[in-house]
Amino acid sequence: QVRLQESGPGLVRPSQTLSLTCSVSGVSFNSGDYFWAWFRQPAGKGLEWIGRFFSTGSTKYNPSLSGRATISVDTFRRQISLELTSVTAADTAVYYCARHPSGYWGQGISVTVSS
Amino acid sequence: QTVVTQEPSLTVSPGGTVTLTCGSSTGSVTTYNYPYWFQQKPGQAPRTLIYDTSDTLSWTPARFSGSLLGGKAALTLSGAQPEDEAEYYCLLSYRDGWFFGGGTKLAVL
Repeated sequence: QVRLQESGPGLVRPSQTLSLTCSVSGVSFNSGDYFWAWFRQPAGKGLEWIGRFFSTGSTKYNPSLSGRATISVDTFRRQISLELTSVTAADTAVYYCARHPSGYWGQGISVTVSS
Repeated sequence: QTVVTQEPSLTVSPGGTVTLTCGSSTGSVTTYNYPYWFQQKPGQAPRTLIYDTSDTLSWTPARFSGSLLGGKAALTLSGAQPEDEAEYYCLLSYRDGWFFGGGTKLAVL
């Protein structure tokens, strides 16, 4: 059974760095052509792509984040990490990790940015 | 700034057929935009239905199909069921990355 599980703090202070981890089980982690990706969704709003890590090691990020996002992959621990620096209230959202095009998604983790 | 457009809302009768579309501010959507379609129900994570324009996953109900139509990506639902009531998002790939449409709220009434 494929499982992607996001974890991390539910509350982050403004100007701090948000760090999330996606733990993967039940699926090949380092073979084939696929993307590991992070998305987010503010309450009551649409989905937003944050960034992606291709199986070859290349990364790409949403330009609207102005270089604040970094995605890394730890194949030994079978984890995908997201760091988002200098957070503001606008970064409050449910954050999802996913693998494409396989179609696997985590259940999401709610993150609030507030002092 | 690339803008991906979807119908804000659509309604389909049970058993009916409806087509959701996904357009691009940069011009016609092509297979090189690798269109994805996702279904999301309230309180749930998105579920991938279609990738690369028309490829389905093992869990994609046969009544959903993807295509290109009139310069847009299209998701057609044939034989709508009450459980298909949901928000549907398309995702397009560009040189700058991936961009979502604003979503289509589909009602089955």
